[in-house]
Amino acid sequence: EAQVTQNPRYLITVTGKKLTVTCSQNMNHEYMSWYRQDPGLGLRQIYYSMNVEVTDKGDVPEGYKVSRKEKRNFPLILESPSPNQTSLYFCASSYLAGAGKETQYFGPGTRLLVL
Amino acid sequence: AQTVTQSQPEMSVQEAETVTLSCTYDTSESDYYLFWYKQPPSRQMILVIRQEAYKQQNATENRFSVNFQKAAKSFSLKISDSQLGDAAMYFCAYLSMNRDDKIIFGKGTRLHILP
Repeated sequence: EAQVTQNPRYLITVTGKKLTVTCSQNMNHEYMSWYRQDPGLGLRQIYYSMNVEVTDKGDVPEGYKVSRKEKRNFPLILESPSPNQTSLYFCASSYLAGAGKETQYFGPGTRLLVL
Repeated sequence: AQTVTQSQPEMSVQEAETVTLSCTYDTSESDYYLFWYKQPPSRQMILVIRQEAYKQQNATENRFSVNFQKAAKSFSLKISDSQLGDAAMYFCAYLSMNRDDKIIFGKGTRLHILP
């Protein structure tokens, strides 16, 4: 089954404790992206990647890091989380070209609470 | 820069009735994609329907259809025969066919279905 998986689904942590949210897709997609969703602000893009070892900042990259060492994985790293990073996070992927490139597949979301 | 506006933060509709969610966008481009995503209480993002800007025919998926007015930059979603399972947050989104651009989301419309 084609899918995007994220782990963990729920996470409570404390300020300053490094954490990683994993994202993996099994569709051989080139494009992967991270979003955060906050009430009244909709979805905002954090980082995206157009292929292995190619990453770019989205709208709200501050406080986040990503890496793309393998095509299927795109982890989101919070080196020193702060309470303003409490949010719902989504990973998404899609093809970069050809038929189907326009459709993004979303993961189930990760709800993060930073105390 | 492209923007997507959903002017209705919340809407309600009686079960079995028809409801229309509005979306307008701003772009100087001529080739792009438009989407409606559904986010039920489970928080997962689900693609409802997509429209290619070069297609004049409005997209339809079962009870979901769009009214795409390219000149007016309007992309409304019509849900016919509303069901309780349609209750969700709905996001309108824009994606340029130039793949260097990121997908732009509206802030969402929360749809309530009244039994």
